[in-house]
Amino acid sequence: GAVVSQHPSWVICKSGTSVKIECRSLDFQATTMFWYRQFPKQSLMLMATSNEGSKATYEQGVEKDKFLINHASLTLSTLTVTSAHPEDSSFYICSASFGQETQYFGPGTRLLVL
Amino acid sequence: AQSVTQLDSHVSVSEGTPVLLRCNYSSSYSPSLFWYVQHPNKGLQLLLKYTSAATLVKGINGFEAEFKKSETSFHLTKPSAHMSDAAEYFCVVTLSGGYQKVTFGIGTKLQVIP
Repeated sequence: GAVVSQHPSWVICKSGTSVKIECRSLDFQATTMFWYRQFPKQSLMLMATSNEGSKATYEQGVEKDKFLINHASLTLSTLTVTSAHPEDSSFYICSASFGQETQYFGPGTRLLVL
Repeated sequence: AQSVTQLDSHVSVSEGTPVLLRCNYSSSYSPSLFWYVQHPNKGLQLLLKYTSAATLVKGINGFEAEFKKSETSFHLTKPSAHMSDAAEYFCVVTLSGGYQKVTFGIGTKLQVIP
């Protein structure tokens, strides 16, 4: 149980375009979803926390207009990287929890912006 | 404020020998503590968690960790390393209230030598 999926697993896009990444909790209802970014050989950096039906809470230094997060239902959250640039290339990981602090992580999405 | 310190960025052990990955934390309140494992290009998998119940926590794949409040530590151990244990390990502190505060350690890369 507690499976989280992400789609797509890989995405390559041109600079200036927008990319949407989906995060789904497959067998439970996630009251909270988290979005992380991971640079090569580094730890995860929390970008934002979102609760279903409310606006996401962004960490300091993360641009809200750049990284749009929508948590429309208890099983789906989306991260949209708007006007992507090469420096946005990274490994994006989502996680979901249902009120017990334990986070269940998705497999990650690797974004490459050319 | 809370923080997590993983004392070793890289640990190398021989197959069949014990594993010790160290984690110290600081938190103003009673946090929950987690260990996650990440294999290359994959998401994170929960190994075990401490949430104020038993101080010795057993997890998957033979791993366990002991919460020591006096030492503010939550070290991860395994009696006998297996080749498949080679991965990156993250210690995580979570503080819940109206908003979950999540802090990741920098990670410890475990190398297992045949």
